[in-house]
Amino acid sequence: DTAVSQTPKYLVTQMGNDKSIKCEQNLGHDTMYWYKQDSKKFLKIMFSYNNKELIINETVPNRFSPKSPDKAHLNLHINSLELGDSAVYFCASTTSGGGEKLFFGSGTQLSVL
Amino acid sequence: AQSVTQLGSHVSVSEGALVLLRCNYSSSVPPYLFWYVQYPNQGLQLLLKYTSAATLVKGINGFEAEFKKSETSFHLTKPSAHMSDAAEYFCAVSETGFQKLVFGTGTRLLVSP
Repeated sequence: DTAVSQTPKYLVTQMGNDKSIKCEQNLGHDTMYWYKQDSKKFLKIMFSYNNKELIINETVPNRFSPKSPDKAHLNLHINSLELGDSAVYFCASTTSGGGEKLFFGSGTQLSVL
Repeated sequence: AQSVTQLGSHVSVSEGALVLLRCNYSSSVPPYLFWYVQYPNQGLQLLLKYTSAATLVKGINGFEAEFKKSETSFHLTKPSAHMSDAAEYFCAVSETGFQKLVFGTGTRLLVSP
């Protein structure tokens, strides 16, 4: 059983399209994240949800809209895709409180053509 | 705001040699510090973490790191490198209870026979 699963693993699309990435965790965690990893491997937090409530929203274009229907799911919808959105997007989860480790999904490689 | 600096984007060692990956942090409060490893086409996995207990932290796969407040450092070491250690290593810092992890730019460890 995969602890944090993301779908799809690869996503190739044209500029201007709208796409979604889904994330599910079966660890019983109450906090979930989206991270973006660029071509230089730099990881930057985008969003964090705790118990379905948005708690971290970094300076991300509003074309990116996270949705958390329940504690176990955090989906990422992207409107009007741009070339610069090409990256690997990682979902992660943890329990709230300091010092707990994050469990990462295996990533979604998004390529915008 | 917290930040992490990893010195050296690439580190090359021979199999059996000492591994030393450097990490310096900046934080206005006592931090939580982490080392994560990323193998090709995979998500990140926790190697070890410091949460204000012992300053010398032992992790998985023979890795350890020492928290040095005076030097604001959290360097990762392993006495003897193995080929399977070749991967990307990320240092991360967190101040908040909700785990806003800020990652360094990563260090790629190359291990030669």
